[in-house]
Amino acid sequence: DQQVKQNSPSLSVQEGRISILNCDYTNSMFDYFLWYKKYPAEGPTFLISISSIKDKNEDGRFTVFLNKSAKHLSLHIVPSQPGDSAVYFCAASAGSGGSNYKLTFGKGTLLTVNP
Amino acid sequence: DVKVTQSSRYLVKRTGEKVFLECVQDMDHENMFWYRQDPGLGLRLIYFSYDVKMKEKGDIPEGYSVSREKKERFSLILESASTNQTSMYLCASGVGIGRYSNQPQHFGDGTRLSIL
Repeated sequence: DQQVKQNSPSLSVQEGRISILNCDYTNSMFDYFLWYKKYPAEGPTFLISISSIKDKNEDGRFTVFLNKSAKHLSLHIVPSQPGDSAVYFCAASAGSGGSNYKLTFGKGTLLTVNP
Repeated sequence: DVKVTQSSRYLVKRTGEKVFLECVQDMDHENMFWYRQDPGLGLRLIYFSYDVKMKEKGDIPEGYSVSREKKERFSLILESASTNQTSMYLCASGVGIGRYSNQPQHFGDGTRLSIL
């Protein structure tokens, strides 16, 4: 039973435009959400996170939105750059350990930003 | 800067062999994790440890065991390797459960393991 779902395996965007990556979850106990970026042959690198007490968190070109009632979060990248081309994983955790307790990951979305 | 080091980037072993994957972190983190990444399946948690000599099963522990004798080192053991364990294995570390933190888990670069 997949608790974190990324329903789009891939997304292609033009350089300079907005990239929107989506993630849905089913476990209402999740209270912390993260996005990781992964290049081939490298480990995932942390991008941005959000606690369930917030509905938006922004860091430079990256913004994460959380809609708890819909159990949905999204990552917005504006403007998109070719170097953003990577696989993006959505992850969630439950309990007071925050982001450092066990994470449940989605299957990932391959983002391609075309020059 | 946090560094999580996995001992091998690529490893080829034979069916039935006992395989050890090693991971070392240099940030004095309490928590360490082993995941595997497979195409179309994302990252799945195999085992994790929140203290020396402590371990907990993740979502797919069958066929694996772990060892944490020192805080900085977390080993994944394939007791008798099988071809369905061919995968990318990723180690991660993070600060302890008792200290809520917005510091994320940090990952190593992975070990691409092939079982022939």
